[in-house]
Amino acid sequence: GESVGLHLPTLSVQEGDNSIINCAYSNSASDYFIWYKQESGKGPQFIIDIRSNMDKRQGQRVTVLLNKTVKHLSLQIAATQPGDSAVYFCAEKGGGSYQLTFGKGTKLSVIP
Amino acid sequence: NAGVTQTPKFRVLKTGQSMTLLCAQDMNHEYMYWYRQDPGMGLRLIHYSVGEGTTAKGEVPDGYNVSRLKKQNFLLGLESAAPSQTSVYFCASSYLANSGNTIYFGEGSWLTVV
Repeated sequence: GESVGLHLPTLSVQEGDNSIINCAYSNSASDYFIWYKQESGKGPQFIIDIRSNMDKRQGQRVTVLLNKTVKHLSLQIAATQPGDSAVYFCAEKGGGSYQLTFGKGTKLSVIP
Repeated sequence: NAGVTQTPKFRVLKTGQSMTLLCAQDMNHEYMYWYRQDPGMGLRLIHYSVGEGTTAKGEVPDGYNVSRLKKQNFLLGLESAAPSQTSVYFCASSYLANSGNTIYFGEGSWLTVV
């Protein structure tokens, strides 16, 4: 899920399949994590969040998994749809901090 | 209810010129933020405000100033624009500091410095 240079990693998925987007976070003191979706030309939109006292949280068609041991976060999208095509960012926040630290993003392309 | 509105949406500046980006929110949120987003990068926090009359530095504050004279407005100023400030700028607001689903982002302002 991390990009190198100017090129975002891209995940291409067939419509109807499940998607898994990964994110490695950096701060072991982070206690709150969020996934955002950003469509072209728009601002980020909240998808789902998870606190560090949990390792899994489910929403509508989305699941976030948190592995604190290896500092890894993943977003699973079930039955991926064309409308899910976007760039997905993970973000982390340390306790008491106002600052969200964003990952570099993964571009999800859904093949109809 | 417009949410978070940013103006202008697009602007081209010459090096050394100054400009102000305006962010307005109509949700009575206490917290407001300015981020920049560069190609292939996540958003980076420039400055933020925890209430009317307050401002604080984020991760990349150099070359920018901000003001929060009214609760609903958060202004981002570039006193002497540089090509390195070519970016997309996003304003955001929230009524809680520690909950991602309460952070609302604007549509972005595309700034090019030539």
